[in-house]
Amino acid sequence: DIQMTQSPSSLSASVGDRVTVTCRASQTINNYLHWYQQQPGKAPKLLIYAASSLQTGVPPRFSGSGSGTDYTLTINSLQREDFAIYYCQQSYSTPFTFGGGTRVEIK
Amino acid sequence: QVHLVESGGGVVQPGQSLRLSCAASGLTFNYYFFHWVRQTPAKGLEWVALISDDGSNKYYADSVKGRFTISRDNSKNTLYLHMSSLSAEDTAVYYCAREVAAPRPFDYWGQGTLVTVSS
Repeated sequence: DIQMTQSPSSLSASVGDRVTVTCRASQTINNYLHWYQQQPGKAPKLLIYAASSLQTGVPPRFSGSGSGTDYTLTINSLQREDFAIYYCQQSYSTPFTFGGGTRVEIK
Repeated sequence: QVHLVESGGGVVQPGQSLRLSCAASGLTFNYYFFHWVRQTPAKGLEWVALISDDGSNKYYADSVKGRFTISRDNSKNTLYLHMSSLSAEDTAVYYCAREVAAPRPFDYWGQGTLVTVSS
């Protein structure tokens, strides 16, 4: 199985900050990497697919990058509604594993 | 507008069975692969099972293989997860999710249904 390691597990930031979350796969996943945002009590929401493509309707302050085994989610100018948990997921091979999540909290 | 609505969750005793349903609307159901994903505070998001558009191919997480069965009824636009031999470790919120074309992200999710396995 492909293991997905996210870091940090949590971070504190202020509105307007730039935030970076990283995800490392245990083997190359050829950009079959997606990022989701989850608000309390809600289902995950797709933000970024194929490592760097912005899902329709997602604000452009969200961006993704990376290749091979290492990927990054960046949030520019953090907004209040961005305080949430972020997960990466690989869909290169089953089981489609998720990272452990990064909780973005208000400083 | 795509909607996925899960149902069938509840409290069951260890060893019992339960069937979850996921009713889909606003899409051509038989065009898409679907998944079940579960979530617990301890384990986070865990992929459970996948079914192809025509139901001919199914894949399972090792943790549920042999106990859970994913199925679909394309005439009813409904996805199912039959769970048997349930244990406390299966306690979770269960989500259904739609997969879109390569590279296969999950673009729509249901609201989730809680399964609690407890004596």
